[in-house]
Amino acid sequence: DADVTQTPRNRITKTGKRIMLECSQTKGHDRMYWYRQDPGLGLRLIYYSFDVKDINKGEISDGYSVSRQAQAKFSLSLESAIPNQTALYFCATSDPTDAGSEQFFGPGTRLTVL
Amino acid sequence: DQQVKQNSPSLSVQEGRISILNCDYTNSMFDYFLWYKKYPAEGPTFLISISSIKDKNEDGRFTVFLNKSAKHLSLHIVPSQPGDSAVYFCAASSLNRDDKIIFGKGTRLHILP
Repeated sequence: DADVTQTPRNRITKTGKRIMLECSQTKGHDRMYWYRQDPGLGLRLIYYSFDVKDINKGEISDGYSVSRQAQAKFSLSLESAIPNQTALYFCATSDPTDAGSEQFFGPGTRLTVL
Repeated sequence: DQQVKQNSPSLSVQEGRISILNCDYTNSMFDYFLWYKKYPAEGPTFLISISSIKDKNEDGRFTVFLNKSAKHLSLHIVPSQPGDSAVYFCAASSLNRDDKIIFGKGTRLHILP
């Protein structure tokens, strides 16, 4: 079984719709992250959380919000989706006791905003 | 301002030869450097890392070299195999910067038969 799961894996939505992407992990890690990947731009951090109720903005948080209600779950919301939010979204976790801060990624959610 | 740079978007290497992927960084405060590998339709997976106090780390066919004075690191894969065809992300982290990892844009490696 995968340690980090994301739902849905694919989603097509229309401009202006609200959409939520879910991330669950069984690794027992406190730290969770949301990234987006665009062609030629690599992975960019949207939001991250170091504990339940702890929320921090990443480099591209505008237009997004997150919720961390439990250690194992971290959800990403697009309140009013726009076409330039079409991207591949990844959730990741890490253990602060691990030197080097290796992150473990989910399989990704491909989001298309029409 | 891009702190981690991978200037080669793609690289093609003959099977059996050495693949060398390069990465440059600008922030001398980074404590760790990591390489991630990504296949299509999958999330990135950790490959190998190196502490800033070392200049080399080896794991099987993969070796990472760090040149702090040049702010440059490289990943060597030898011998290259077909399954190595993927996108490789260089990343850096600083323990004093909230454990965030800064990723480069990635290099797509093609292993040619």
